[in-house]
Amino acid sequence: EVQLLESGGGLVQPGGSLRLSCAASGFTFSSYGMSWVRQAPEKGLEWVTGLSGSGDNAYYADSVKGRFTISRDNSKNTLYLQMNSLRAEDTAVYYCAKETAVVGKPTFDGWGQGTLVTVSS
Amino acid sequence: DIQMTQSPSSLSASVGDRVTLTCRASQSISRSLNWYQQKPGRAPKVMIYDASSLQSGVPSRFSGSGSGTDFTLTISSLQPEDFATYYCQHTYNTPTTFGGGTKVEIK
Repeated sequence: EVQLLESGGGLVQPGGSLRLSCAASGFTFSSYGMSWVRQAPEKGLEWVTGLSGSGDNAYYADSVKGRFTISRDNSKNTLYLQMNSLRAEDTAVYYCAKETAVVGKPTFDGWGQGTLVTVSS
Repeated sequence: DIQMTQSPSSLSASVGDRVTLTCRASQSISRSLNWYQQKPGRAPKVMIYDASSLQSGVPSRFSGSGSGTDFTLTISSLQPEDFATYYCQHTYNTPTTFGGGTKVEIK
């Protein structure tokens, strides 16, 4: 059974930084692309960034390009999201999501429970 | 970026009703379309992928159809556990984008 457990969310001031982690189990982590998807309060879903199984290919939404960095440690079965220069509009629940292929197929068949990031002074 | 538009934004229906949700893409996306179900306080769950393929474990009352720009999700006989918000998502290119959602409420 796919299990994804996010951590690292919290309250941060505008301009600050935060690092999210997602611990994966129940599948061969390196064989699948992974993404972060966020959901602002009472809003819809927004894909943020994705990373291939090898970690060689990363993709970003324009809204976070240059501020957020996705990475993974396949030896630790863990996905990361480094978020810098945070803005109020980054406030959301951040979900870690498993893709159905190693690269280029962002169909998400596994999700974490989400971690809340609040950007406010 | 490809824009995904869902309609209606909400609907009220009764248990046993047949319900059809619509999703339209701003350009042709072939059959690269998924449907997710999300309940309050929970993560989304994929129901349909590639426009019409039923995800493992999803009840057969759910079905998807369409290609190009117009897609539908049909629930043949609405059950109490189906009341939720449904999102469509394209996987045609990067960035993948989601529709705004359709909330299915109890009548």
